[in-house]
Amino acid sequence: DAGITQSPRHKVTETGTPVTLRCHQTENHRYMYWYRQDPGHGLRLIHYSYGVKDTDKGEVSDGYSVSRSKTEDFLLTLESATSSQTSVYFCAISDSGKPSTNEKLFFGSGTQLSVL
Amino acid sequence: QQQVKQSPQSLIVQKGGISIINCAYENTAFDYFPWYQQFPGKGPALLIAIRPDVSEKKEGRFTISFNKSAKQFSLHIMDSQPGDSATYFCAASISRGGTASKLTFGTGTRLQVTL
Repeated sequence: DAGITQSPRHKVTETGTPVTLRCHQTENHRYMYWYRQDPGHGLRLIHYSYGVKDTDKGEVSDGYSVSRSKTEDFLLTLESATSSQTSVYFCAISDSGKPSTNEKLFFGSGTQLSVL
Repeated sequence: QQQVKQSPQSLIVQKGGISIINCAYENTAFDYFPWYQQFPGKGPALLIAIRPDVSEKKEGRFTISFNKSAKQFSLHIMDSQPGDSATYFCAASISRGGTASKLTFGTGTRLQVTL
């Protein structure tokens, strides 16, 4: 999946515990994204990053925080997990440079998170 | 508010038939419309995309038809094959070079192509 590694691939946790998901890329792409996928909702953008230490909120950012300390790593943290955050989480990347390359998103294989 | 509405939710097509998936959008500022294909256990992958300056774009067996006045676009899969069985997502965004691309996705269509 275009040099994108998400870890862990599966995680089960309890309500109220903190959880951190990791996305690592080897493509040196500038932009990184976190989406969640739920039945009936498609994919929804949680947070995105446009550079090291530069991040912004997406449409469903409540309850989530992110950090990007290196170009290759983008972390998604659930400070206090809730059952409504049970979902499949996808990391995506896109590049800058030539026109329109920022629009072509490459996705990782996802992390299945269950909050009990 | 669902800005991109996709239908049908699921679709069964016989091998060799035509699969058609439809999407409608609300935001007239959208000017980039990609389709993504997702196989079980994998992330979505870009299949084909169109901009509103053309009404149709074809890549192999996959065609996007775009109707700007109706704010609708559709994916046609000609000669559908069992290997096309996957979930398909339409999406839309406002093109802004030099920034992150914030796609709004439809809810997905699960396509099954039978023998």
